[in-house]
Amino acid sequence: GENVEQHPSTLSVQEGDSAVIKCTYSDSASNYFPWYKQELGKGPQLIIDIRSNVGEKKDQRIAVTLNKTAKHFSLHITETQPEDSAVYFCAASRAGGGADGLTFGKGTHLIIQP
Amino acid sequence: DAGITQSPRYKITETGRQVTLMCHQTWSHSYMFWYRQDLGHGLRLIYYSAAADITDKGEVPDGYVVSRSKTENFPLTLESATRSQTSVYFCASNQGIAYEQYFGPGTRLTVT
Repeated sequence: GENVEQHPSTLSVQEGDSAVIKCTYSDSASNYFPWYKQELGKGPQLIIDIRSNVGEKKDQRIAVTLNKTAKHFSLHITETQPEDSAVYFCAASRAGGGADGLTFGKGTHLIIQP
Repeated sequence: DAGITQSPRYKITETGRQVTLMCHQTWSHSYMFWYRQDLGHGLRLIYYSAAADITDKGEVPDGYVVSRSKTENFPLTLESATRSQTSVYFCASNQGIAYEQYFGPGTRLTVT
């Protein structure tokens, strides 16, 4: 089955700086890669996703890049703000939208220092 | 718009008891999922369903039973709870392959 590795497990950055979280996956048939943000006591919430026919996608301060050859994808958050503090999960799936279920990384605790 | 709800939000049960976690979505999404979240493991797929009366195993299905007689409901049953099933359980739903997966607020289950 699919295996998703996520690094780092904890990331502390100064407010206003950029944050980068990296994931690798093992199944070459995976073609859907979402990123979720989870705040304490809540369910994960999708912040951005990318499909295998696209190399990069951006939404305001958030961007995701995908390298299918190397089987890795990354989340980039620019101009970080206190409300970006949360746990971030990457995931992978063979089916679009994760219709056959998502395989998650173990998460990155992002801490924004004021 | 209620979205996706889970009940109960918190549950304490004893080893060997049967417990059912409920999940209800108001969007008529075809796909529904159960994940468990444990420290150090992230979220892991237990079972999923592509439509009413269609279910399939995920990564960690042992000890769990699901059913889906109605599109909007996807209950998860632990037939004989064990301490290793202490976890936070999340239900999710998805309209189809071109759409995102939405998560419920979670149920924190403690097995003593």
